Amino acid sequence: EIVMTQSPATLSVSPGERAALSCRASQSVSSNLAWYQQNPGQAPRLLIYGASIRATAIPARFSGSGSGTEFTLTISSLQSEDFAVYYCQQYNNWPWTFGQGTKVEIK
Amino acid sequence: QVQLRESGPGLVKPSQTLSLTCSVSGGSISSGHYYWSWIRQHPGKGLEWIGYIYDSGRTYYNPSLKSRVTFSVDRSKNQFSLKLTSVTAADTAVYHCARARGFGEFADYWGQGTLVTVSS
Repeated sequence: EIVMTQSPATLSVSPGERAALSCRASQSVSSNLAWYQQNPGQAPRLLIYGASIRATAIPARFSGSGSGTEFTLTISSLQSEDFAVYYCQQYNNWPWTFGQGTKVEIK
Repeated sequence: QVQLRESGPGLVKPSQTLSLTCSVSGGSISSGHYYWSWIRQHPGKGLEWIGYIYDSGRTYYNPSLKSRVTFSVDRSKNQFSLKLTSVTAADTAVYHCARARGFGEFADYWGQGTLVTVSS
């Protein structure tokens, strides 16, 4: 199965700053990659699919890029509600697999 | 707005069968456009996609769980279900049901999740 590796494990950012989260696949997943946001005790929320397509009602400050094995989720100006854990997920090869997550915390 | 809600026992004994149901509201499970999924999250860890089912009944199971898992759909109740047999402590997790788009590729609506603990 494809292993997804996210870095860093924790990212400390001040509100209003930009955050860039990395996701690497153990083999090419083309553009078949999604990003999710999860707050404590809540279900994950779909942010991005197709590596760069924002899901319904997702603010424009969230953007995704990359293809093949290297992907980035960028949050252009962090708001208070953006401090959460972010997961990438590949859907190129079954079983779909997730990264271990990046926690974005307040600096 | 589509909503999903998991229900089932929160405690299961080792070697027994874990059974959960997902109730879907705000949309029909028989619409034919979506795949209905189970995804679990071990405490403090990442996510694992257990599998998904199409409303025709066609199923896709994670190979790591395939020998122990069964999904089913009850169209009359707008529900789908998970059974996981021969559970061990390693199956302790929060179990989410979700609606998946594409060919069951990514989940756009999720249930809140239910914690199932395997313990005697």
